[in-house]
Amino acid sequence: SQKIEQNSEALNIQEGKTATLTCNYTNYSPAYLQWYRQDPGRGPVFLLLIRENEKEKRKERLKVTFDTTLKQSLFHITASQPADSATYLCAWDTGGFKTIFGAGTRLFVKA
Amino acid sequence: DSGVTQTPKHLITATGQRVTLRCSPRSGDLSVYWYQQSLDQGLQFLIQYYNGEERAKGNILERFSAQQFPDLHSELNLSSLELGDSALYFCASSVAAGAREETQYFGPGTRLLVL
Repeated sequence: SQKIEQNSEALNIQEGKTATLTCNYTNYSPAYLQWYRQDPGRGPVFLLLIRENEKEKRKERLKVTFDTTLKQSLFHITASQPADSATYLCAWDTGGFKTIFGAGTRLFVKA
Repeated sequence: DSGVTQTPKHLITATGQRVTLRCSPRSGDLSVYWYQQSLDQGLQFLIQYYNGEERAKGNILERFSAQQFPDLHSELNLSSLELGDSALYFCASSVAAGAREETQYFGPGTRLLVL
């Protein structure tokens, strides 16, 4: 079955460093991937979308890459700040209007 | 603030009971999505409605049902509740029919606790 996997372990990094989160998918070739941010007890907030024919997308301190050969998307936050601490979810569509979300990776940025 | 509203914020009920969760989409959005998020399961897609009609179905239990009304607000009905139904329930909305690149805007969620 179609599966989307994120590193379930939390990521702890120091303020100012670059955080890199991974999203892997199997048994499907999504036309695009989305990344969302979720704070505890709140709804996810859309951050970035990258299409299969785009290698990289940037928005301010955020960068997303999409490698269809490795079946992987990487999400980078440069010059990370404590305010970036949250859970980050990747998501894809299944081609039938359903969206599948990964379990998310918790990011902790220490001052 | 995403513009999506959900009521109630919190709900505590007993096993076997029935509850209704309500969602109002962003102004102008025609699609409404329902998700369940529990600690061990992540965000699970339940069902989508577009302009009053069911568009897509996920892993929604038969005890659960939803509808979208002419004013586009939606309700998720959960019946014969079990302890395992305790979770955060999110509603999201998007402009159109869930086209593949559409962004979904999530509401603040309803936290359901079944005792």
